Amino acid sequence: DIQMTQSPSSLSASVGDRVTITCRASQTITKYLNWYQQPSGKAPNLLIYEASSFHSGVPSRFNGSGSGTDFTLTISNLQPEDFATYFCQQTYTSPFTFGPGTKVDVK
Amino acid sequence: LQLQESGPGLVTPSETLSLTCSVSSGSISRSDYYWGWIRQPPGKGLEWIGSIYYSGTFYNPSLRSRVSISVDTSKTQLSLKLRSVTATDTAIYYCARGSQGSSGWSHYFDLWGQGILVTVSS
Repeated sequence: DIQMTQSPSSLSASVGDRVTITCRASQTITKYLNWYQQPSGKAPNLLIYEASSFHSGVPSRFNGSGSGTDFTLTISNLQPEDFATYFCQQTYTSPFTFGPGTKVDVK
Repeated sequence: LQLQESGPGLVTPSETLSLTCSVSSGSISRSDYYWGWIRQPPGKGLEWIGSIYYSGTFYNPSLRSRVSISVDTSKTQLSLKLRSVTATDTAIYYCARGSQGSSGWSHYFDLWGQGILVTVSS
């Protein structure tokens, strides 16, 4: 199985901050990397697919980049509704594994 | 379009966990989407259980011997059965709609149900 790691596991930030979350795969996954946002107590929501493609309705302050094994999710101008846990997921090969998550909370 | 999971919230060890996911708007038989189940133990990360495509069904190898996923197009429902459950199967179970994008090679879940907590305990 492809192992996914994320860093940091948690971070504290303020409204208006720029936040960067890193996801790394144990082997190349080319561009097949998704990012999901999970608000506390709710289901995940798709943000980004294929590493850098925006899902419909996702604000432009979210940006995904990377390829191969290293990927980044950047949130510019953090908003109150962005405090949540973020997961990456590889869909290059089965089983489609998720990263352990990065919790973004209020500083 | 909405997805809604339903089923028992408590299952006895060694029994079968059975969940359904009701899909509104009757689009479950469209070939441009697929359907899947994902689970999340309380306070932990996400685990892909399996997905059903127009072309077939694929399961996480770690669960393949115990799991089955099916679609009932007449009822617009997705089903999950997980046999011989243990306490480690306690989790929130989500159903989700998947898309493969314009290339047909991608896989991503673009719509999720709210989830249902299933506890395995005697």
